Amino acid sequence: SQQGEEDPQALSIQEGENATMNCSYKTSINNLQWYRQNSGRGLVHLILIRSNEREKHSGRLRVTLDTSKKSSSLLITASRAADTASYFCATVSPMDSSYKLIFGSGTRLLVRP
Amino acid sequence: EAGVAQSPRYKIIEKRQSVAFWCNPISGHATLYWYQQILGQGPKLLIQFQNNGVVDDSQLPKDRFSAERLKGVDSTLKIQPAKLEDSAVYLCASSSYVNSPLHFGNGTRLTVT
Repeated sequence: SQQGEEDPQALSIQEGENATMNCSYKTSINNLQWYRQNSGRGLVHLILIRSNEREKHSGRLRVTLDTSKKSSSLLITASRAADTASYFCATVSPMDSSYKLIFGSGTRLLVRP
Repeated sequence: EAGVAQSPRYKIIEKRQSVAFWCNPISGHATLYWYQQILGQGPKLLIQFQNNGVVDDSQLPKDRFSAERLKGVDSTLKIQPAKLEDSAVYLCASSSYVNSPLHFGNGTRLTVT
C-alpha cells in the first residue's frame, strides 16, 4: 500500500514561476524524502527531511514538514524547462523494522519554456 | 562513483514465459531494493536485501516472483510465469545503510503480451 499521496497529480507552469507540490501521509514517520524522475529514467534523490525538522533548503528547492498535519511540501523556485519531471515523496516509518521506503503516486510537473 | 547498473533495458515476452533482470548496486552499498513501477504510479517495493539476507519481501508475489542476492553484491529478480499485469518498469536501488537516500538504476521496462 502507498503511504504518501501527492497533490496535485499534475501541474503545468511557465518557466520562471514557482512550483509547489504537496504530500500527505498516514502514519508517523522517521524521515520523508523527495525524489525526481525524468521520463524513462530512474529516480533521483533530492532532499531528506527528518521528523524533528520543519524546513530544509537545497539550491532552488525548499521542503517543509508538518508532522501534526502529516504533510510536506516541495517548492521549486524560478522553475526551468529542465525541471519537467515527476516528483515523488517517500516515507520511512519508525514502526517498520525494515525501514523500507514507501513512495506516493507522484506529481507530474510540466514547465513550459 | 559508478551508479546502479541494470540490464536489460527493455524486455518483451509473451505471457507464461519467464524473464530475469539483473542489478549491480553501487560498490559498498549494503542495502538493495527491487521496486515495481506501473505506468503512472509510484514505485512499489517488492523486496529489500541487507547484504545477502532478505529484510522485507511482504509485497513480492512469491508464487511467481523470486529474487536473490548472491555474495551480498549483484542481484537477480525472476518472474516465472509472467502475466499481463506484470508489465511495468522494474527498478533496482541501493543505499549505504537503511534510512539513507536510495540510488536508483534506470530500470528494465518489461512488456508482457
